[in-house]
Order: sequence, then C-alpha cells, then structure tokens
Amino acid sequence: GNSVTQMEGPVTLSEEAFLTINCTYTATGYPSLFWYVQYPGEGLQLLLKATKADDKGSNKGFEATYRKETTSFHLEKGSVQVSDSAVYFCALSPRDGANNLFFGTGTRLTVIP
Amino acid sequence: DAGITQSPRHKVTETGTPVTLRCHQTENHRYMYWYRQDPGHGLRLIHYSYGVKDTDKGEVSDGYSVSRSKTEDFLLTLESATSSQTSVYFCAIKEASTGELFFGEGSRLTVL
Repeated sequence: GNSVTQMEGPVTLSEEAFLTINCTYTATGYPSLFWYVQYPGEGLQLLLKATKADDKGSNKGFEATYRKETTSFHLEKGSVQVSDSAVYFCALSPRDGANNLFFGTGTRLTVIP
Repeated sequence: DAGITQSPRHKVTETGTPVTLRCHQTENHRYMYWYRQDPGHGLRLIHYSYGVKDTDKGEVSDGYSVSRSKTEDFLLTLESATSSQTSVYFCAIKEASTGELFFGEGSRLTVL
C-alpha cells in the first residue's frame, strides 16, 4: 500500500539554524513526492515536488531529494527564518487516476529570533 | 491560484443538524477531493470525485455524503452532524499531469 511516515515534531529552532524534517514512504509503483506547507490560518500550499528518483525539488531555500533506495524525501533548509514557522506535510501521489494523495501527519516548525 | 472557493469558511452548528459545505472550482479539473484536518492526524480523505456523478469513499467517509452534479461544484454533506465532525475541511483539485493537489482555504466547522 501507500503511506507516508513523517518526523513528529514539534520542532523549535533559532533563526539561521539548519533544518531537517525526515520523511519516508512506502508506495506501489513510482509515486510523485511533495512537501506542502501550511501557514497559520491558511490552506496547504505546495512547497516543492519531485516526480522521479534522484530528482531534487527546491523552492524558497528548501530542498528535498527523491531517494528511491532509502524511500525517503527529507526536507532541508540551510538557514531558517522566523517567517518559515508553519506546519510542513510530506505527501505522495500514486500519480495515476484519481488516487488519493497520501499525507504524513505534519511537522510544526517554530523559528525563534 | 487554482480558482478554488470553499463556502462557508466558518460555521457553528448543533448536534443533529444537517450541514453542507460547498467547493467551487473554475478551471474544469476532473478530480476533486474533500479532506478533514485534525491535530495528530494530518489530512484524511473523506470522499473524492473523478467526474460528474462519479464519486468514491475515502478513509473516513462514515457520516458524510457527497454530490457532484456539475464539474465545477463538489458538495460535502453531513446528514446529522456530531461533535466528532468538528474539524477543518479542505477541498482540493488535482492537476492530472503532475499529481499535484491545489487546496482551498478551508472551512472550519464546529458542532456543539
């Protein structure tokens, strides 16, 4: 089956610290992988994505590499800012048909000045 | 902006009353979804639709029904609301070529 396991959190970091949020998955076939971000009071927004093995998604200083050998898609950022405080969701899509997008439980990040 | 509008954005109701949430899209996407978001559970799929009058259940469909009589609207109905259905509900559409979901802004429902 399809599932996503995500680092629980919450995570609290000082500004300019390095961020890693772990995400591993199980999937049938070759899914697309996503990181979504949810800022307070808002819906989810796509942060980055990767559609095949070894692809690196990047956006706003965040990066994640699709690792088929370790079934992982860890989110990283070299220097976080207060404005990065949000909840981050890892997700996978089997891509074909109307199949559900499978989400992790989310990781709340708080960045303190 | 994928042109998704949810209504109402906030609703407070009493146990046992019916509630309908509406999701409207303007870009003719085939696939539409209703999720609920609860602390510790992330997002869980309630129902989805793959075309007009074509719907199917997700993992938490009990107590919910949906209808899609035209491409642009996907309705979620709670026939008799319960306190366990207090949640934030998100509608989403799927970009078929990439698998990416675009979300509405959410509808916060409180059942007293």
